[in-house]
Amino acid sequence: GQQLNQSPQSMFIQEGEDVSMNCTSSSIFNTWLWYKQDPGEGPVLLIALYKAGELTSNGRLTAQFGITRKDSFLNISASIPSDVGIYFCAGRIQGAQKLVFGQGTRLTINP
Amino acid sequence: DTGVSQNPRHKITKRGQNVTFRCDPISEHNRLYWYRQTLGQGPEFLTYFQNEAQLEKSRLLSDRFSAERPKGSFSTLEIQRTEQGDSAMYLCASSSRGGLSGANVLTFGAGSRLTVL
Repeated sequence: GQQLNQSPQSMFIQEGEDVSMNCTSSSIFNTWLWYKQDPGEGPVLLIALYKAGELTSNGRLTAQFGITRKDSFLNISASIPSDVGIYFCAGRIQGAQKLVFGQGTRLTINP
Repeated sequence: DTGVSQNPRHKITKRGQNVTFRCDPISEHNRLYWYRQTLGQGPEFLTYFQNEAQLEKSRLLSDRFSAERPKGSFSTLEIQRTEQGDSAMYLCASSSRGGLSGANVLTFGAGSRLTVL
């Protein structure tokens, strides 16, 4: 089945730093989504991408749909304490309804 | 509240017992999904419904698992003869069939955490 490789697995940064994480797939996806999950809660959608090359922002978050359709990137600028959590990429192949998730990137911020 | 609601939030049971989780999706959403998430991993797809029809089931969904959505609204996920390996967070999500913008974006509930002793 489809697998998503998400990296890095964890990040320890200082408040105010920028963050970058990415996701790669062995399959071509027609949708990429980025979610954030806090402890004991379900994932919450951050950004949705639908076209190859698309670059979309949501406040301090920016995500891109890779040209090859096999990867996606999420950047967070000027990190703040509430950015702490686990970030998941998720993708959908053409014709499928289910989302496939990456393993997550755990973000820890030192004040 | 217009979000996805899941009950119970936490369930502790003894091995061999049956458990049932309920999911109430966003009312206008016709698609409903169940995922399982173990510690340190991303959510794994279990099954999905479009209205009352169960259209896809993962190989993860063993014979002990059954999901229903009898009237195309709420759904239940039952696990029979629970095993310790069933301990996980069970997430429900719903989505609507729409145009390109916002198309089929999954909105998740807070999850039901199962602990099998």
